Amino acid sequence: NAGVTQTPKFQVLKTGQSMTLQCAQDMNHNSMYWYRQDPGMGLRLIYYSASEGTTDKGEVPNGYNVSRLNKREFSLRLESAAPSQTSVYFCASSELGQGKDTQYFGPGTRLTVL
Amino acid sequence: GESVGLHLPTLSVQEGDNSIINCAYSNSASDYFIWYKQESGKGPQFIIDIRSNMDKRQGQRVTVLLNKTVKHLSLQIAATQPGDSAVYFCAEGGGTYKYIFGTGTRLKVLA
Repeated sequence: NAGVTQTPKFQVLKTGQSMTLQCAQDMNHNSMYWYRQDPGMGLRLIYYSASEGTTDKGEVPNGYNVSRLNKREFSLRLESAAPSQTSVYFCASSELGQGKDTQYFGPGTRLTVL
Repeated sequence: GESVGLHLPTLSVQEGDNSIINCAYSNSASDYFIWYKQESGKGPQFIIDIRSNMDKRQGQRVTVLLNKTVKHLSLQIAATQPGDSAVYFCAEGGGTYKYIFGTGTRLKVLA
């Protein structure tokens, strides 16, 4: 039982490049989330997926897109990376969602955009 | 090294002492609260949670206290160990998918 896994662990991009961050969970959770973590700030929600087949914007969705590929996988895409997107990205999952239960986090992807 | 966590408030405690980490939450409608531990270079790790119908909950070496009157949450760690050194932050949920996360407190355990 690996929990929540993310790939890659580190990535360096040039401005304008695109990439997809992958996330998978093996806990059979319904809800999945993408966050970014920046110095001095709490985790900020980019997008979430309440259940397979649905996705919704969070607090900071601009410049990102997501795909809930199936119940296990939730990917985050940067179409044209910008230096402001330099951050640590965390994927999380929870069984119920809706602020009712614990979110379990992956190890993170550390992204630098030059 | 991990850049997240710069300029966080820091609590330094001697090994073996008890630690108390505080969190002021923002939404009076929040009814579910979580404490996470985040070690350098790793993702947040669940420690303990509490619902608003309780004011205290205990785990292994940890206790969470909830004071809804003043919107305050605290995490108590008994007999603090070097492995407890990390950033600790609280999260609040309240019926939507948008949890609110605190910025965290860095706990340093002195040998």
